[in-house]
Amino acid sequence: DAGVIQSPRHEVTEMGQEVTLRCKPISGHNSLFWYRQTMMRGLELLIYFNNNVPIDDSGMPEDRFSAKMPNASFSTLKIQPSEPRDSAVYFCASSLAGQGYQPQHFGDGTRLSIL
Amino acid sequence: GDSVTQMEGPVTLSEEAFLTINCTYTATGYPSLFWYVQYPGEGLQLLLKATKADDKGSNKGFEATYRKETTSFHLEKGSVQVSDSAVYFCALKRETSYDKVIFGPGTSLSVIP
Repeated sequence: DAGVIQSPRHEVTEMGQEVTLRCKPISGHNSLFWYRQTMMRGLELLIYFNNNVPIDDSGMPEDRFSAKMPNASFSTLKIQPSEPRDSAVYFCASSLAGQGYQPQHFGDGTRLSIL
Repeated sequence: GDSVTQMEGPVTLSEEAFLTINCTYTATGYPSLFWYVQYPGEGLQLLLKATKADDKGSNKGFEATYRKETTSFHLEKGSVQVSDSAVYFCALKRETSYDKVIFGPGTSLSVIP
């Protein structure tokens, strides 16, 4: 079975450039999460969606970050303009909410380096 | 607010040693508790869970018991292997939230032959 698919796996770009990270959740899942992981701050929840609707975006660091989920099978996280402090591993996860506890399934992440 | 605290790492053990990673939590109500594991270069994956007090979650030789009186969920394994080297995250989910999970900071484990 296909898991959560993230692309690209690695991204290196210069500061000021726009960065778009992509996520395809597991088919049938109705919740989607974006996380950022760094050595200093650990794993941070940025935003999560339920049935394509953003439920909580309080973790989005600032206006340079935006996330969309135009349909049940695709989401993007965009950073514009990017800064070196945005360098991190970004994870997408999905789950099936509303049926007891269903675990979150994580993608393998996008390792982002902003020079 | 809700939070999860774990023992600081890194933890280094010899193969076949006994493992304990401490985890305590703060939450209102009756949260579900989890351990996730992250192998190098991969995302997190669920290791085990417990949904009510005194439940014991177990998987792959790992165990953890939901202790409401001490608000703890310590991870244990009787005999670790080199392949258990990873980062372990304790986490909770409140019963009233959609599916939001609160993760602890993670504990890195290295098992040497």
